[in-house]
Amino acid sequence: ETGVTQSPTHLIKTRGQQVTLRCSSQSGHNTVSWYQQALGQGPQFIFQYYREEENGRGNFPPRFSGLQFPNYSSELNVNALELDDSALYLCASSLALSGSVSDEQFFGPGTRLTVL
Amino acid sequence: AQSVTQLGSHVSVSEGALVLLRCNYSSSVPPYLFWYVQYPNQGLQLLLKYTSAATLVKGINGFEAEFKKSETSFHLTKPSAHMSDAAEYFCAVSGAVSGYSTLTFGKGTMLLVSP
Repeated sequence: ETGVTQSPTHLIKTRGQQVTLRCSSQSGHNTVSWYQQALGQGPQFIFQYYREEENGRGNFPPRFSGLQFPNYSSELNVNALELDDSALYLCASSLALSGSVSDEQFFGPGTRLTVL
Repeated sequence: AQSVTQLGSHVSVSEGALVLLRCNYSSSVPPYLFWYVQYPNQGLQLLLKYTSAATLVKGINGFEAEFKKSETSFHLTKPSAHMSDAAEYFCAVSGAVSGYSTLTFGKGTMLLVSP
């Protein structure tokens, strides 16, 4: 069974640029959630995709957007990068049967984004 | 709205000593609670979860946590610390909002283990 993978591992961008982060979900999972973890903080929910549709979003501006593909892999896109976007971005996959609160989320190793 | 408060950003113990990491939650509905561990430069690994069954939950690596509704707490314990337990620990509460579930995390507690 393949776990959650993310690419790239590290990324350096400058302010104003755009970035795309990728996530492959665990085999058999149909839901992907993205989290932002700033230095010294806990992860914060960005959004969730279920069956290729965004079905939940945290308190992040529209320049954070995403996609989920038919194979349930996902992308996180961030436009007009700001210095505060520097963080570890975590992807988590789960098998959501009905949005149950007990759905266990399996996390990938994350992508470290640095914005200069 | 749901929230999690982890008391103590850093906890230091000696190898072999009791580990106690504190977590208090706020939830308007019966909560589902999780503890995750994060080793340096890695993602989050689930230690254990409470999903309204037994109030004492046993997890991996000898960790356990007890759900106490009256105290709104879900503290993580381990009887004897090992050097390999040094990592950051996150408590999280799960909530269902408009048909989807998400995790709300605390700020984390760094566990330091000295020989």
